[in-house]
Amino acid sequence: DGGITQSPKYLFRKEGQNVTLSCEQNLNHDAMYWYRQDPGQGLRLIYYSQIVNDFQKGDIAEGYSVSREKKESFPLTVTSAQKNPTAFYLCASSISPSGGAEQFFGPGTRLTVL
Amino acid sequence: GESVGLHLPTLSVQEGDNSIINCAYSNSASDYFIWYKQESGKGPQFIIDIRSNMDKRQGQRVTVLLNKTVKHLSLQIAATQPGDSAVYFCAENFGNEKLTFGTGTRLTIIP
Repeated sequence: DGGITQSPKYLFRKEGQNVTLSCEQNLNHDAMYWYRQDPGQGLRLIYYSQIVNDFQKGDIAEGYSVSREKKESFPLTVTSAQKNPTAFYLCASSISPSGGAEQFFGPGTRLTVL
Repeated sequence: GESVGLHLPTLSVQEGDNSIINCAYSNSASDYFIWYKQESGKGPQFIIDIRSNMDKRQGQRVTVLLNKTVKHLSLQIAATQPGDSAVYFCAENFGNEKLTFGTGTRLTIIP
């Protein structure tokens, strides 16, 4: 069964803590993306990766970090430098790194800062 | 910068009627457009896409229309059903490695 998985579904963080959100895909896609979604708003791009061991900042990268050591995995770390981290985080992948192709989304992780 | 926007943030439609969701874009270089459906608490699901060399594309109960002259994209859903209730996003690609998403339209089906 091919697809994208994200874990955990819900995550609670105390202020000052770093947390890492998992994203795994078994679609053999080259490109992977992380988005942030706030209530009633669209998706904003945090980071993306077109190939293993390479990634680029999106529109709102400050306070976040990523790694792409394996093709199937693209974890996102929300650092303590992110001042307003409470949001719904979505991971996506695409067979084409060019941007002009469908992105497949995972189920999301809802992060709440206590 | 360029942006993708939607004319209406909410749309209420009677069950069985057709729904039309609109999207305006401002980048004439955009060559790929895509519609997603997002149900509450879930990730977006692909509905249909279209490239700039086309002006219409049909799927199952859905049609996307692209008017490059006025930079307008629309999603038509035929015979709307309760399961169509969701937020619908359009997104565009203008030759870079990213999709740029609009803010979304919430579609509510009236029984």
